[in-house]
Amino acid sequence: AQSVAQPEDQVNVAEGNPLTVKCTYSVSGNPYLFWYVQYPNRGLQFLLKYITGDNLVKGSYGFEAEFNKSQTSFHLKKPSALVSDSALYFCAVRLSGGSYIPTFGRGTSLIVHP
Amino acid sequence: NAGVTQTPKFRILKIGQSMTLQCAQDMNHNYMYWYRQDPGMGLKLIYYSVGAGITDKGEVPNGYNVSRSTTEDFPLRLELAAPSQTSVYFCASSYDGASNQPQHFGDGTRLSIL
Repeated sequence: AQSVAQPEDQVNVAEGNPLTVKCTYSVSGNPYLFWYVQYPNRGLQFLLKYITGDNLVKGSYGFEAEFNKSQTSFHLKKPSALVSDSALYFCAVRLSGGSYIPTFGRGTSLIVHP
Repeated sequence: NAGVTQTPKFRILKIGQSMTLQCAQDMNHNYMYWYRQDPGMGLKLIYYSVGAGITDKGEVPNGYNVSRSTTEDFPLRLELAAPSQTSVYFCASSYDGASNQPQHFGDGTRLSIL
């Protein structure tokens, strides 16, 4: 079985400050991890993924994520938040070599204040 | 470069009516998926398909049907609309079943059943 937890329904941050959106996962093996962003009235857009190798993954729009195997976490980060980063963020996990059906977290609403 | 196209964007149905949500992709992807998104609940998988002529149930298939006669199209059918099916429906695709590939999403169909 595989599962994802996004412990925060909402994250508030001031523009220019660093942001973190948290994700923890559970799989019975090696994970493939993904972050997606959803803007209002749009579908999910792929941001970045962790497959293997370097624990720090860089993605679109200046976002990055850090894979931590011991803590089973894959937190999304950005050094300096923009108001335009305000959106809904989803973490997803798949089991490496296993089912191609990902499991999504419930989403975290990021609000960046001017 | 359309990607995944969903029609219609909005629809209001009466209880007991039926309708088909259309989904088409032009990326020659083998795998296609239907999700519903309810506020605060993340994405729930309804049905998926690994290729033309092959479909399978996801987490919440009751009240829905699908078909996959071509690689490009993956329509979702509601036979007897119920208020519990009020939701936002997303279609997604991915190139193959390799679990390190991200999904591509359409912009959704917002369905209200009154």
